[in-house]
Amino acid sequence: AAGVIQSPRHLIKEKRETATLKCYPIPRHDTVYWYQQGPGQDPQFLISFYEKMQSDKGSIPDRFSAQQFSDYHSELNMSSLELGDSALYFCASSLGGGLIEAFFGQGTRLTVV
Amino acid sequence: QKEVEQDPGPLSVPEGAIVSLNCTYSNSAFQYFMWYRQYSRKGPELLMYTYSSGNKEDGRFTAQVDKSSKYISLFIRDSQPSDSATYLCAMSNLNRDDKIIFGKGTRLHILP
Repeated sequence: AAGVIQSPRHLIKEKRETATLKCYPIPRHDTVYWYQQGPGQDPQFLISFYEKMQSDKGSIPDRFSAQQFSDYHSELNMSSLELGDSALYFCASSLGGGLIEAFFGQGTRLTVV
Repeated sequence: QKEVEQDPGPLSVPEGAIVSLNCTYSNSAFQYFMWYRQYSRKGPELLMYTYSSGNKEDGRFTAQVDKSSKYISLFIRDSQPSDSATYLCAMSNLNRDDKIIFGKGTRLHILP
């Protein structure tokens, strides 16, 4: 069965650079959530989209932006990267706007050096 | 105080033992209670979820919710080395757009 696809799996960037993370939800899923998980930390909610519209916003820095496209894939754009942005970034997808029974992707490991 | 508290462990138990993992929470509005399993370098995988209070059983896994005490548990029977992972509890209230609040996760090691 198709799962949530995230790309790239690993990314190394220098401080002040820009990164773009992509998330391809499970087919027919219309909701995408982005989470950031620091080392030894619980996932922190960043932002979510339902039917291509932003549905909720969490602790996402102003340097980050995201959108959901017409094919429901989502991209998280991160600018002016800082060392503290190094983390695992997960997206999850679900059907119908809720996160109950959502499926998580494998994550993108971002390392800022 | 964080909304969801979970002992990070690590918790080491011998193979075949019963494992008990727990979380406490402070937000009485939470209605959905979930347990995720996360292997190293992988995304969280939903194990099971319960709605409101009560128990739910799925194979070797049993989830319990005690809303009066704001306390949830996950029991793993006949634990296997393949159960070694980080287990995260997570909670949400009823609103469709609500995000899930995760615990920090408990690292579990099942010793062969």
